[in-house]
Amino acid sequence: ELKVEQNPLFLSMQEGKNYTIYCNYSTTSDRLYWYRQDPGKSLESLFVLLSNGAVKQEGRLMASLDTKARLSTLHITAAVHDLSATYFCAVVRFGNEKLTFGTGTRLTIIP
Amino acid sequence: DAGITQSPRHKVTETGTPVTLRCHQTENHRYMYWYRQDPGHGLRLIHYSYGVKDTDKGEVSDGYSVSRSKTEDFLLTLESATSSQTSVYFCAISDPSGSGGYNEQFFGPGTRLTVL
Repeated sequence: ELKVEQNPLFLSMQEGKNYTIYCNYSTTSDRLYWYRQDPGKSLESLFVLLSNGAVKQEGRLMASLDTKARLSTLHITAAVHDLSATYFCAVVRFGNEKLTFGTGTRLTIIP
Repeated sequence: DAGITQSPRHKVTETGTPVTLRCHQTENHRYMYWYRQDPGHGLRLIHYSYGVKDTDKGEVSDGYSVSRSKTEDFLLTLESATSSQTSVYFCAISDPSGSGGYNEQFFGPGTRLTVL
């Protein structure tokens, strides 16, 4: 059974600071996704990571993947209030298209 | 929202009644999915479809059935709703032949279901 764990579950940060969200998964994976969800809204795709060592950046967010360690990180640089949201990682196991989600990290950026 | 609509957006029903949720897409994507979202659990896959009349179970399929008679519509039915099925339900779509092979899933706006 594929398990996906995120930590921390809750994160309160000051504006301008840097921090990292971690996503661990239990079995070999084909792809890893990061999503953002604002309160009461749907999920928005942020990144798709395919291979070991993959790194993608969009604005103040950077995601990386280490398939050997079964670990992905989402790094936030110089946080701003607009980044307040819940972030999910999700993993696809080899051979099927079923996404398994982590429980999410609720990020709050404090002015 | 990638041409995905869900109906109804909100529903309150009573235990034991049947409920059908509809997902409609205009993207002609082959795959469609139903998830439920509950606090502390993230999103969990209920059922998915990889083509018209082709469906498979997800991790929390008990108490739910699905049907897909057209590419654009994927229906989720709760035959006899229970309070444990109170949740937010999201539909998603994907196209394995497009988007660079990522098969990225795009999510609908969600349906908030309350079972009293």
